Amino acid sequence: EVQLLQSGAEVKKPGESLKISCKASGYSFASYWIGWVRQMPGKGLEWMGIIYPGDFDTRYSPSFEGQITISADKIISTAYLQWSSLKVSDTAMYYCARVSESGSSTDPLDPWGQGTRVTVSS
Amino acid sequence: DIQMTQSPSSLSASVGDRVTIACRASQGISNYLAWYQQKPGKVPKLLISAASTLQPGVPSRLRGSGSGTYFTLTISGLQPEDVATYYCQNYNSVPFTFGGGTKVEIK
Repeated sequence: EVQLLQSGAEVKKPGESLKISCKASGYSFASYWIGWVRQMPGKGLEWMGIIYPGDFDTRYSPSFEGQITISADKIISTAYLQWSSLKVSDTAMYYCARVSESGSSTDPLDPWGQGTRVTVSS
Repeated sequence: DIQMTQSPSSLSASVGDRVTIACRASQGISNYLAWYQQKPGKVPKLLISAASTLQPGVPSRLRGSGSGTYFTLTISGLQPEDVATYYCQNYNSVPFTFGGGTKVEIK
């Protein structure tokens, strides 16, 4: 069974750094693109970016480029989303999700992780 | 970037009604269009890929159609378990933008 298990909820202060994780199991991690999606409180889904763990090719939404870093570790089948300096406006639920077809970036997201809630407050 | 515009933003209908949600892309995306369902407090779930391909286990009362710039999701015979927010997504070109969502409620 394909599963994506995300790290637990985080409470941070503005200016702090953070790295959240998404551990994959049940498939060949290096062969599927994996993406990150933001959902701010009471709002819709926002596509942030994707990474191909096979060669670390990464694509970002212009809305997020420069604000986040997406990375992956093939050895432990884990993708990451990190911030170097959090803002209050980064408060949101963050989902990782696998692109549904092997090797293709142009496919929908399925399955999804359970989400990681990030709260940034002074 | 391709903008995805959904309408309406919310709707309320009776059990058994037929409801239609529209999704318009700012430029042509062929059939690279997915629909997701997010129930309150839950993780989004892929319903439809390639504009009209139902995912395994998705009830046949849901139907997707369209190509190019205009797409629809139709629920024929609305059920209480369909209460959710529905999102379309372009996956033709990066960024793979989502529509703003349509909240479906029971009257």
